[in-house]
Amino acid sequence: NAGVTQTPKFRILKIGQSMTLQCTQDMNHNYMYWYRQDPGMGLKLIYYSVGAGITDKGEVPNGYNVSRSTTEDFPLRLELAAPSQTSVYFCASSATEISYEQYFGPGTRLTVT
Amino acid sequence: DQQVKQNSPSLSVQEGRISILNCDYTNSMFDYFLWYKKYPAEGPTFLISISSIKDKNEDGRFTVFLNKSAKHLSLHIVPSQPGDSAVYFCAASGWESTSGTYKYIFGTGTRLKVLA
Repeated sequence: NAGVTQTPKFRILKIGQSMTLQCTQDMNHNYMYWYRQDPGMGLKLIYYSVGAGITDKGEVPNGYNVSRSTTEDFPLRLELAAPSQTSVYFCASSATEISYEQYFGPGTRLTVT
Repeated sequence: DQQVKQNSPSLSVQEGRISILNCDYTNSMFDYFLWYKKYPAEGPTFLISISSIKDKNEDGRFTVFLNKSAKHLSLHIVPSQPGDSAVYFCAASGWESTSGTYKYIFGTGTRLKVLA
């Protein structure tokens, strides 16, 4: 049981490039989330999904897109990367309502230069 | 506007003593509160939670206290162990009717160091 896995672990992008951060969970959770954590800050919710085919914006969605075609996968797309998107990105999932405990992946450290 | 605040960025405690981590929130819409623990290069892991209808929840060495009137919660770790050294985040969740969106807000974290 791997839990929540994220790839890649590290990535350096040039300004204007695009990439997709992958997230997969094997716990059959309906709810999935993407967060970013900037240095010295808490985690901020980018997007979340309450089930396959359903996504919604979180606190900081600008510059990102998501899709949820299966229960297991919740990729995060960055179009036209900017230095402000340099951060550590965490994917998470939860079994029940959004209120409750979430299970996190190990994170992807992204640098945009 | 930081709706969930952890005003102490770091805390050092001797092994065996009590660690008390504090968290304040500003919005009454929050009705569920959680604590997460994070080691370097790992994702946060859930520790303990409390609903707004309770004022205390205990799980082994970890106890969370909620004071709704003061909009304050705290995490007590007794006794503290060196393996507890990590960054602790509090989080608050609730439905914001004005914006019609769900909020799940993390504090900025407190780095706990337990000295052997």
